[in-house]
Amino acid sequence: GESVGLHLPTLSVQEGDNSIINCAYSNSASDYFIWYKQESGKGPQFIIDIRSNMDKRQGQRVTVLLNKTVKHLSLQIAATQPGDSAVYFCAEIGGATNKLIFGTGTLLAVQP
Amino acid sequence: GAVVSQHPSWVICKSGTSVKIECRSLDFQATTMFWYRQFPKQSLMLMATSNEGSKATYEQGVEKDKFLINHASLTLSTLTVTSAHPEDSSFYICSARKTGGYTEAFFGQGTRLTVV
Repeated sequence: GESVGLHLPTLSVQEGDNSIINCAYSNSASDYFIWYKQESGKGPQFIIDIRSNMDKRQGQRVTVLLNKTVKHLSLQIAATQPGDSAVYFCAEIGGATNKLIFGTGTLLAVQP
Repeated sequence: GAVVSQHPSWVICKSGTSVKIECRSLDFQATTMFWYRQFPKQSLMLMATSNEGSKATYEQGVEKDKFLINHASLTLSTLTVTSAHPEDSSFYICSARKTGGYTEAFFGQGTRLTVV
């Protein structure tokens, strides 16, 4: 199966700080990107999405930035809370295959 | 958001038996469903993509005769792990999309399979 990378990197932040989670995607033909949050033992939960014709999109406490030149996505979480502790994945869709492919993932640990 | 229900949430089976996992979109029609496998502390690995009414497209290295996928209706896809072995033990997750284009994929809660 397809996957990008093994073993989760970890980002540790203090409660109340802003978090920035980065992701490098693989397919330059991808035109739609999604950030998911996954808590232990559960399926991924949608956070925010962005199309390739945009470079920034904001939601509630979250912002996604897209840099197509270097194939890079970031997720910014403002005022990080303990409930934000989870694994965060970026996913890409596009090209001829229409597959939803996940990135490596980052474990966000929020310290109280 | 839309709801995807996956059943069972966990299952323990003996080596050599087969296990069926169901994935249902409860309040929308899913033209495409994805099946993933996830090992501890790793990312989701795409196993196959299934479109309603047609054969599933399997990723390289995934045995189609071992992991049987059926997408018989716009609300149901099933994954059957045939002749299960301990190395098949994993977390299996399904996902469903309403249509192509710029629509998100909704995920089931996952199935923890343990083969003893």
